[in-house]
Amino acid sequence: RKEVEQDPGPFNVPEGATVAFNCTYSNSASQSFFWYRQDCRKEPKLLMSVYSSGNEDGRFTAQLNRASQYISLLIRDSKLSDSATYLCVVNRNDYKLSFGAGTTVTVRA
Amino acid sequence: NAGVTQTPKFQVLKTGQSMTLQCAQDMNHNSMYWYRQDPGMGLRLIYYSASEGTTDKGEVPNGYNVSRLNKREFSLRLESAAPSQTSVYFCASSEAEVYEQYFGPGTRLTVT
Repeated sequence: RKEVEQDPGPFNVPEGATVAFNCTYSNSASQSFFWYRQDCRKEPKLLMSVYSSGNEDGRFTAQLNRASQYISLLIRDSKLSDSATYLCVVNRNDYKLSFGAGTTVTVRA
Repeated sequence: NAGVTQTPKFQVLKTGQSMTLQCAQDMNHNSMYWYRQDPGMGLRLIYYSASEGTTDKGEVPNGYNVSRLNKREFSLRLESAAPSQTSVYFCASSEAEVYEQYFGPGTRLTVT
């Protein structure tokens, strides 16, 4: 079983729509969770950390469900510039980070 | 403030050739990492350096070596390139091991 699994998508949504997707992780002892954004042929960039109580950053909301071992990301009022691949990242037992393969989101005009 | 820089941006090698990928960070981070990214797969850790003077193997270290030259610089060497090493290589750094990582722009390597 992969340490971090994501639905690859793509999620095709119109501008202004809400899109949400999850990732699941296998290590119940994980303590650090992040969402990264990766544009085509660019490096991953930190979008937001995910906290136990859930957190928002503008139009982005992240939730953590420890019981079911999944993390979610919700994007409200989608913009064309939100088109990217979103990487779910979780720490492993040895404190290193495991990266999911990514969920691709395409926002159309 | 440049963040994490990598050179070269692109490279084509023939099987058996060697090369060194360079990485430097100016954020005074303790930990540095080398990853490779292949289509449909998550980033895979090749080697990392938790602090200056230490290096350790990651998930896919075979065929690679690293040097943590000083706190700023962490290089990755391919001694005898193979087509299976065709990939995009990213260097990253973080304040400490469990903290968020910051990535360089990547090196696109093709081995023919």
